Amino acid sequence: DVKVTQSSRYLVKRTGEKVFLECVQDMDHENMFWYRQDPGLGLRLIYFSYDVKMKEKGDIPEGYSVSREKKERFSLILESASTNQTSMYLCASSLQTQRGAKTQYFGPGTRLLVL
Amino acid sequence: DAKTTQPTSMDCAEGRAANLPCNHSTISGNEYVYWYRQIHSQGPQYIIHGLKNNETNEMASLIITEDRKSSTLILPHATLRDTAVYYCIVRGSGGSNYKLTFGKGTLLTVNP
Repeated sequence: DVKVTQSSRYLVKRTGEKVFLECVQDMDHENMFWYRQDPGLGLRLIYFSYDVKMKEKGDIPEGYSVSREKKERFSLILESASTNQTSMYLCASSLQTQRGAKTQYFGPGTRLLVL
Repeated sequence: DAKTTQPTSMDCAEGRAANLPCNHSTISGNEYVYWYRQIHSQGPQYIIHGLKNNETNEMASLIITEDRKSSTLILPHATLRDTAVYYCIVRGSGGSNYKLTFGKGTLLTVNP
């Protein structure tokens, strides 16, 4: 079974704090993703990574950065947390083959509240 | 990616089959139909996917019509733990297929 884990289920931070969200997958997947999910807005892609040290911006990268130093770990960093970053953050991973990216598997999510 | 249409909500009695429909009339030849579900406050869970043939796994069956314009996810014996929002997604296999776009999905409520 694919396992994607996220460092925290719930997190409360103050405005201006630097926040680190960690994601680890144990299936040797090339691709890893960070999404946020908000009521009425669905899932929105923040960043994704297709290899170690490689990253690409998604639809809403502003205010976020990412780090992928090892294949199994993908970190999302909120440089200076703001209240509009209160959200559910979801990490996912997928295999990459010559025929394209395969099924994405999600972690349990981190519900972040920024006060 | 092609747009999908699903009913907003459905009810099912525990132990009965739950049949969740999805319309994807603009699907193109190389696009797959994926199903995920999301139980309240948890991450989405992959269920099943298919291209044109019917598929079955330990969780569900996926029936895709011959013209591929619609599909049905079948949970053969629904339990209370199957209460969730079910998302039908149509997705290509190459190019910019890296992101998933979830619509509003169908809220399935399994009743005792």
